[in-house]
Amino acid sequence: GQQLNQSPQSMFIQEGEDVSMNCTSSSIFNTWLWYKQDPGEGPVLLIALYKAGELTSNGRLTAQFGITRKDSFLNISASIPSDVGIYFCAGQLGNNDMRFGAGTRLTVKP
Amino acid sequence: DGGITQSPKYLFRKEGQNVTLSCEQNLNHDAMYWYRQDPGQGLRLIYYSQIVNDFQKGDIAEGYSVSREKKESFPLTVTSAQKNPTAFYLCASSPGDRNQPQHFGDGTRLSIL
Repeated sequence: GQQLNQSPQSMFIQEGEDVSMNCTSSSIFNTWLWYKQDPGEGPVLLIALYKAGELTSNGRLTAQFGITRKDSFLNISASIPSDVGIYFCAGQLGNNDMRFGAGTRLTVKP
Repeated sequence: DGGITQSPKYLFRKEGQNVTLSCEQNLNHDAMYWYRQDPGQGLRLIYYSQIVNDFQKGDIAEGYSVSREKKESFPLTVTSAQKNPTAFYLCASSPGDRNQPQHFGDGTRLSIL
């Protein structure tokens, strides 16, 4: 099945900098989700978006559901060392139809 | 503590051997899922189950089998027919209502001896 186009693949930033990553698709989705995965662990849900145009924050994280329903972005402000990990986007069309991006690997230098 | 428990954390398979990965959830979720994760790729769906005694193939079901005899449990068997089983396997569950997010266990890493 079709996977999402997530970019960038990796980012190396200085502590305190802001981060932005995004996902695009040729298909529309009803829900966009952002997960974070630490090494050897399962993905943890960060933000869920349910409506086109929706902008949602969770602490230093902000995500938006694109107006076309084909894209989403995630911003992290004032990064800290514990932000290190792999961030995945996921688009959900129905209960059993969820597609994932390949992930953005974030490294934060103190 | 409510959650999804996968075991074992690490598993090794010999040639020609079937191995079973366990997934248990106490979230009272109706739907459960198995994904395979390879380096640099997104998660790929192996099998899913919306209700007890029912399951459906995902995108990469060949060489795998599942059962759903209880709501809480959705074990995955990696059979000898799966020629490239080395991967990180993730189990997830969701309430089953439309568009509700999936929540993941901590994974099982399977390697070939």
